[in-house]
Amino acid sequence: SQKIEQNSEALNIQEGKTATLTCNYTNYSPAYLQWYRQDPGRGPVFLLLIRENEKEKRKERLKVTFDTTLKQSLFHITASQPADSATYLCALGGDALQGAQKLVFGQGTRLTINP
Amino acid sequence: DAGITQSPRHKVTETGTPVTLRCHQTENHRYMYWYRQDPGHGLRLIHYSYGVKDTDKGEVSDGYSVSRSKTEDFLLTLESATSSQTSVYFCAISEQTRETQYFGPGTRLLVL
Repeated sequence: SQKIEQNSEALNIQEGKTATLTCNYTNYSPAYLQWYRQDPGRGPVFLLLIRENEKEKRKERLKVTFDTTLKQSLFHITASQPADSATYLCALGGDALQGAQKLVFGQGTRLTINP
Repeated sequence: DAGITQSPRHKVTETGTPVTLRCHQTENHRYMYWYRQDPGHGLRLIHYSYGVKDTDKGEVSDGYSVSRSKTEDFLLTLESATSSQTSVYFCAISEQTRETQYFGPGTRLLVL
């Protein structure tokens, strides 16, 4: 069965440093991968999408890489700030039935940026 | 939250009672989804809809049913709630040909 693992449940980083989160998967060939941010008590919010034929995607201080050979995505936040503290979820997609996107989510990594 | 509301936001109920959760969108998006989120499991798809009256099962559909009689409303029903259905339930929507999903604020359900 499909399996997605995010490297750790919790990650603590010093403010200003780069935070790197990992998403590994098995038994799946996704057409794309997404990263979402989730704050306590709220729904996930979309951040970035990277397709299987793309190696890297950037958005402001965020960078995502996608290695389909290693079956891994890395999510980087550069110049991290306390406001970046949240849980980050990776999601694999590509299985679309009737056009609906059936995403498979990892369990999330809770990131804390310490001042 | 991208024009998505969920009601109720919190609910406590007893085992064996029926429960209906409502998702309402003002975005006129075609696709709607129900997920549950539990510690250690991440978000898991329960059911989804690809149009009015068009629905299908997701990964964890046992014990749940859905209905969509209007574009803007997607209902999730627990026919006879069990303690294993204690969870946080999220509704999401997406546009045709777009992969991004927009999530509602969630409903926290406790089944005693």
